[in-house]
Amino acid sequence: SQTIHQWPATLVQPVGSPLSLECTVEGTSNPNLYWYRQAAGRGLQLLFYSVGIGQISSEVPQNLSASRPQDRQFILSSKKLLLSDSGFYLCAWTGGAGAYGYTFGSGTRLTVV
Amino acid sequence: AQSVTQLDSQVPVFEEAPVELRCNYSSSVSVYLFWYVQYPNQGLQLLLKYLSGSTLVESINGFEAEFNKSQTSFHLRKPSVHISDTAEYFCAVSEVNSWGKLQFGAGTQVVVTP
Repeated sequence: SQTIHQWPATLVQPVGSPLSLECTVEGTSNPNLYWYRQAAGRGLQLLFYSVGIGQISSEVPQNLSASRPQDRQFILSSKKLLLSDSGFYLCAWTGGAGAYGYTFGSGTRLTVV
Repeated sequence: AQSVTQLDSQVPVFEEAPVELRCNYSSSVSVYLFWYVQYPNQGLQLLLKYLSGSTLVESINGFEAEFNKSQTSFHLRKPSVHISDTAEYFCAVSEVNSWGKLQFGAGTQVVVTP
């Protein structure tokens, strides 16, 4: 069966520090991968998606970047965190054209102080 | 581009009472529709989905949603809620042939009280 792992679960980082969040998927190949951010009391905002190794599409201009160094690995990064980067970050995957819906990771709660 | 509107940010409901969560969407092309549930500090779980065919879809835990194309709606209902249904519910839309990108509504917090 397919599983998705996301870590760390919680993270407190000072302003200006770097960030690296990792997401891996098991039990499938060539998944579509997504990073979403959920701010307090708000819905989910799509940040990045990838349909293959090295292919990254950005949905909103921001302080973050994403990379997909391997088929089932998706990394969210920042060189210098801002206070506004705080939020709940969710990784997700789907197969095919998305008709199956997403499977989400358990999320990372990031607090920038 | 598609958009999703969840009309209620919070819905208080008594245990064993019915609940309806409203969702409207806009899109110029065919869409897939989804409802997700999120428990505190957890990721989202797929509750049910509409792809095609019968406009009424059901989940294994008693929820159902009906796709209404003319009203561009996908409301979620449950005839009798439990305390364990307390959670946030998200409606989401994906345009067909859009690489599976989901547009989420702002969410509806359901609070079930005894």
